[in-house]
Amino acid sequence: DAGVIQSPRHEVTEMGQEVTLRCKPISGHDYLFWYRQTMMRGLELLIYFNNNVPIDDSGMPEDRFSAKMPNASFSTLKIQPSEPRDSAVYFCASSFSTLGNTIYFGEGSWLTVV
Amino acid sequence: AQKITQTQPGMFVQEKEAVTLDCTYDTSDPSYGLFWYKQPSSGEMIFLIYQGSYDQQNATEGRYSLNFQKARKSANLVISASQLGDSAMYFCAMRTDYGGATNKLIFGTGTLLAVQP
Repeated sequence: DAGVIQSPRHEVTEMGQEVTLRCKPISGHDYLFWYRQTMMRGLELLIYFNNNVPIDDSGMPEDRFSAKMPNASFSTLKIQPSEPRDSAVYFCASSFSTLGNTIYFGEGSWLTVV
Repeated sequence: AQKITQTQPGMFVQEKEAVTLDCTYDTSDPSYGLFWYKQPSSGEMIFLIYQGSYDQQNATEGRYSLNFQKARKSANLVISASQLGDSAMYFCAMRTDYGGATNKLIFGTGTLLAVQP
C-alpha cells in the first residue's frame, strides 16, 4: 500500500525564493497534518485539515506560510518568500478521524534556504 | 493545555537488555490516545504503539510495550531485548478527542536511545 507521499524530498533554495512542498495523503484518510522539525524547536504542528478544511493553523509561523488542500488527495505548503530560518524538515501526515487510528507520516521534505 | 513531557534527552542500553523511556502527559480531555514513534537517523517517523485512555490493558506490539498509568498520567515505552537497530530518537505523542472531534497530535521533545554492543 502506498503511504503518505511527499515531494520534493530535498530542496535547496535561495533566500527570497518561493518554496512549494507537496503531499499526497493515504487514500481514504480524512485528516492531514503538516509538521516542521528543527533541532531547536523539535516537532511543531503547523496546520491540520479535516475533510480538506483547515481546522487549526495556529502553528503557522507567519504570513509567509500558507497551506491548501484543494481535494482529498493533495495538499501544498508554500513559503513565500523563504528565509534561512525556514530551513527544516517538513513532514506531512494523515489519518482517519477515529482517535485510535494511527497517524502515518511521509518521509519528509528536507528544506535548506541559503 | 495539552502537553507531553519526555525528561530523558538521551539514554544508553546494552544490547539484549530492556529499557524504559519515560513519558508524562497533561490533558483535561477524558478521551485521548497516546502514541510512540521511532525516528532513526534516516529521518522517517515510524509508528510503534498506541494506547487509548479507556483501554483496560497495556498495549503491546512485539518487543514494545506501553506501561500506562492513568492516575499518574504516564505512558512509558518499554523495549525488551534491545537490538542495535533500536538506536534512534523516540517520541511520545498524544491526541485528544473533544466533543467527538479528534484533535491534533502533539509531541514531546524526544529521547535519543543508543544501544551498545
